[in-house]
Amino acid sequence: EVQLLESGGRLVQTGGSLRLSCAASGFTFSSYAMAWVRQAPGKGLEWVSGISGSGGWSDNADSVKGRFTISRDNSKITLYLQMNSLRAEDTAVYYCAKMFYSAPGTRGGMDVWGQGTTVTVSS
Amino acid sequence: EIVLTQSPGTLSLSPGESATLSCRASQSVSNSQLGWYQQKPGQAPRLLIYGAFSRATGIPDRFGGSGSGTDFTLTISRLEPEDFAVYYCQQYDSSPWTFGQGTKVEIK
Repeated sequence: EVQLLESGGRLVQTGGSLRLSCAASGFTFSSYAMAWVRQAPGKGLEWVSGISGSGGWSDNADSVKGRFTISRDNSKITLYLQMNSLRAEDTAVYYCAKMFYSAPGTRGGMDVWGQGTTVTVSS
Repeated sequence: EIVLTQSPGTLSLSPGESATLSCRASQSVSNSQLGWYQQKPGQAPRLLIYGAFSRATGIPDRFGGSGSGTDFTLTISRLEPEDFAVYYCQQYDSSPWTFGQGTKVEIK
């Protein structure tokens, strides 16, 4: 069964750091781009970061640039999000998601999602 | 950055009716790399449509996607009770892979 399981979310103080993990199973992890998507309480979805299957490409939303770093360890079949200089507005449920390909080189959307992990930033 | 604007914000409909949701992009989304997701309270999003018009695995044929360039539409024919939810469009043509703000389909 294809599955993603996030962990690491907790209550953290403003200015603090946190590392989220996403353990994958049931698919060839290194073949797929992955992403982190967050949802603040009562708000919509916000794409946070993405990374290619090899890890050679990554990008972040402007709202987290310079503070968050996405990475992956294909030998451990795990995706990470290092979050530094946390702010109250980073409070959200963080989902990891798998990007599938509808054709070679053509992204098809995020077809597998984890259940989410909650990050609360408070002073 | 491609900005996606969804309309309307809320759609109030009865079961059996049809829903038409719009997603407009600030610049052209090439290769129709646009998807639609459904999200219910307390759940992760679920991919409904990819490539603007292709249904994801297991999605019933009452869900249909159309459009190209900057204008895309999700149509839900014959609304079932389980279809009342929030729907998001997302472009993955260019990074950042942005989402629209969502359309809530509620029971009238």
